[in-house]
Amino acid sequence: NAGVTQTPKFQVLKTGQSMTLQCAQDMNHNSMYWYRQDPGMGLRLIYYSASEGTTDKGEVPNGYNVSRLNKREFSLRLESAAPSQTSVYFCASSEQGLTDEQYFGPGTRLTVT
Amino acid sequence: QKEVEQNSGPLSVPEGAIASLNCTYSDRGSQSFFWYRQYSGKSPELIMSIYSNGDKEDGRFTAQLNKASQYVSLLIRDSQPSDSATYLCAVNEDNAGNMLTFGGGTRLMVKP
Repeated sequence: NAGVTQTPKFQVLKTGQSMTLQCAQDMNHNSMYWYRQDPGMGLRLIYYSASEGTTDKGEVPNGYNVSRLNKREFSLRLESAAPSQTSVYFCASSEQGLTDEQYFGPGTRLTVT
Repeated sequence: QKEVEQNSGPLSVPEGAIASLNCTYSDRGSQSFFWYRQYSGKSPELIMSIYSNGDKEDGRFTAQLNKASQYVSLLIRDSQPSDSATYLCAVNEDNAGNMLTFGGGTRLMVKP
């Protein structure tokens, strides 16, 4: 089992460009999450999907959109990238929900210039 | 204002010693508590979860939870240089819609 996979590993964007970060899990988990990690700010939840077909905002959703494509896949889209979105993005999944243990993917390091 | 607080460190311990990492939280309704280890440039890796007051042991790791005092700790016995990493405390906070709130992490350095 690969666990949680993310693509790409690294990305450089210019301000105003758009991109989609992809995440997939092979653990048959119901819930999936997108976090960003910034120095001094820790890990912060952007969006989550408690189950297939549902998505909800987290702590810092502005500037992002998500799609739960199916049970395995959860994508994060930046429509118009801003330098403030320079960060490391982690996808995670858990078996049942927010109170469960979460397992993280390897991360995407995004730089917006 | 962070609701989950950790000393950022670094906490330096000699090889073979016990490392003690602490975390306090503000939401009395919290029910789930997790410790993650994060090596530099890598993703968080789950080490322990604890849900009830008391101690939970797994190999060299012991998690301790005291809900009355609102703290959770992680003890690492027989610390090894490979334990050098940042340790993140995460709390499932009832007043945050049950979302996981992460502390800023404590950097642990184990010196040979």
